[in-house]
Amino acid sequence: DIQMTQSPSSLSASLGDTVTITCRASQTITNYLNWYQQKPGKAPKLLIYTASSLQSGVPSRFSGSGSGTDFTLTISSLQPEDFATYYCQQSDRTPWTFGQGTKVEIK
Amino acid sequence: QVQLQESGPGLVKPSETLSLTCTVSGGSISTYYWSWIRQPPGKGLEWIGYIIYSGNTHYNPSFNSRVTIFVDTSKNQFSLKLSSVTAADTAVYYCAREGYAGGRRFDYWGQGILVTVSS
Repeated sequence: DIQMTQSPSSLSASLGDTVTITCRASQTITNYLNWYQQKPGKAPKLLIYTASSLQSGVPSRFSGSGSGTDFTLTISSLQPEDFATYYCQQSDRTPWTFGQGTKVEIK
Repeated sequence: QVQLQESGPGLVKPSETLSLTCTVSGGSISTYYWSWIRQPPGKGLEWIGYIIYSGNTHYNPSFNSRVTIFVDTSKNQFSLKLSSVTAADTAVYYCAREGYAGGRRFDYWGQGILVTVSS
């Protein structure tokens, strides 16, 4: 299985900050990397697919980059509704696997 | 707008079979891939398997042969059966659609259903 490792596991940030979350795959996954946002008690929501494509309806302050094994999710100008847990997920080969999550909290 | 809704028992006894159904509305099940994903309380996400409308399936090997996913296109539903459950199978179970144009991803999700394994 491809292991996905996110860092950090949690972070504290203030409104208006720029936040970067990283995701590393245990082997190359080309650009088959997706990012999700999950709020407590809710299903995950797709933000970014194939590393850098913004899902329809997602604000442009969310962006993704990377290829191979190293990827980043950047949230520019953090808004109150962005405090949540973020997961990366690889779709290069089955079984699809997720990172352990990064919790973004209010400083 | 595509919507997914999980249904089934919220409590299952150890060693029994967990059975859930996902009803898809706002679109036909006869396209795309359809997955089950679970999340134990306070933990991360685990993909269980997917099915396509033709009935072809692909499962996560970590579930060995305990899992079966099947589709009923006449009802626009797909279902999950997980046998020989233990407390470790206690989780919120989500159904999701897998978009595939330009790369596979879970683009629509159900709200999730908590299934507790307990006697």
